Amino acid sequence: AQKVTQAQTEISVVEKEDVTLDCVYETRDTTYYLFWYKQPPSGELVFLIRRNSFDEQNEISGRYSWNFQKSTSSFNFTITASQVVDSAVYFCALSVPASGGSYIPTFGRGTSLIVHP
Amino acid sequence: EAGVTQFPSHSVIEKGQTVTLRCDPISGHDNLYWYRRVMGKEIKFLLHFVKESKQDESGMPNNRFLAERTGGTYSTLKVQPAELEDSGVYFCASSQRKYEQYFGPGTRLTVT
Repeated sequence: AQKVTQAQTEISVVEKEDVTLDCVYETRDTTYYLFWYKQPPSGELVFLIRRNSFDEQNEISGRYSWNFQKSTSSFNFTITASQVVDSAVYFCALSVPASGGSYIPTFGRGTSLIVHP
Repeated sequence: EAGVTQFPSHSVIEKGQTVTLRCDPISGHDNLYWYRRVMGKEIKFLLHFVKESKQDESGMPNNRFLAERTGGTYSTLKVQPAELEDSGVYFCASSQRKYEQYFGPGTRLTVT
């Protein structure tokens, strides 16, 4: 069975601070995908990134960066110079191949990030 | 290109009533998924359609939940009769590639 743990329930920072959201996953599959989604106050889940288990290269996209470490089963997400618009709930998810070839994600409980002006 | 849409955005019903949620996937996406998030908990998978067929319904909580996708386009999720524990946000997602899903805005269901 798969499991995703986001230990931080809520993080509060002041604008321009850097913040890291932690994600630890568990799976016995060697092939899997990891995701981060953002849920702003409007409610929709916005896809941020997908990584496959064979690509440990870290990624940077503007103020966002992701650190994937298989040795510690972690896929952490850092926002540099946070802004008020970053306030949202962030979900980490893990997908492994299921029956029929589908990939059904297992989500963490989410981390609520509040950025104060 | 329009994203995944869901209707209604919010529904408040009394225990014992029936509610039907609708999801319109991105045009051309064969895969359609339903998920639910109970307050403060994980987003949990309910079921997966490939076109009009149910590929995986292992996450459906009980037989009060009925999902359909007639014609392989939009899908409905009916809860009958609704119970208090059914309250939560119901998300729909669609995809063409199996490992990449696009989520809708969700329907917030409140059962009183």
